[in-house]
Amino acid sequence: QSALTQPASVSGSPGQSITISCTGVSSEFGGFRYVSWYQQHPGKAPKLMIYDVSSRPSGISTRFSGSTSGNTASLTISGLQAEDEADYYCSSYTISSLGVFGTGTKVTVL
Amino acid sequence: EVQLVESAGGLVQPGGSLRLSCAASGFTFSNYVMSWVRQIPGKGPEWVSVISGSGDNTYYADSVKGRFTISRDNSKNTLYLHMDSLRAEDTAIYYCAKRVSGTLPPIRGFDHWGQGTLVTVSS
Repeated sequence: QSALTQPASVSGSPGQSITISCTGVSSEFGGFRYVSWYQQHPGKAPKLMIYDVSSRPSGISTRFSGSTSGNTASLTISGLQAEDEADYYCSSYTISSLGVFGTGTKVTVL
Repeated sequence: EVQLVESAGGLVQPGGSLRLSCAASGFTFSNYVMSWVRQIPGKGPEWVSVISGSGDNTYYADSVKGRFTISRDNSKNTLYLHMDSLRAEDTAIYYCAKRVSGTLPPIRGFDHWGQGTLVTVSS
């Protein structure tokens, strides 16, 4: 089954930039053209931060940006803030099944 | 303001059935792809099912195919998930979610989510 692998944890100090990777076999995920990123705080529903690789929904800070390269999609958070501390999941449709979420990354603001 | 409100879940015995509903407001419901996503507390989310705006096209995760049925009533702005032959591994929080506008594939960005409802399958 297609899988998207993320680092278990990433940390940074306020004001710094961090990048979360999401790795899989690009061909299984349509070339990563439709990768999305979700933020989830404890006890809350996921929140869409990025879709279609690099598009931001209305109301999402420009501090969040997305990109892809080869077999990796990435989410970059610039100017890290305390409220950015949360779990982050990438997601993509797959050619062989409905779609998958990544393994998840816990972001800690030091 | 977009709102998605799921019905109460509950405790169901293994092999039992349950129907979830999701009342939508604040947008033209029939214009948007909708989805059900579930999440075991402490674990990552899992896509369960997706339905087109018209309801003509439905998609399912392999784990629920043949047991769950997604549907929608655009006249009532309501999304449904009918779950049969429930198993212990179906225990999770179930969310309904609205997709961003656009064409295929079914899984793209989902920009609004309900608050979630807990379904527990246990004897």
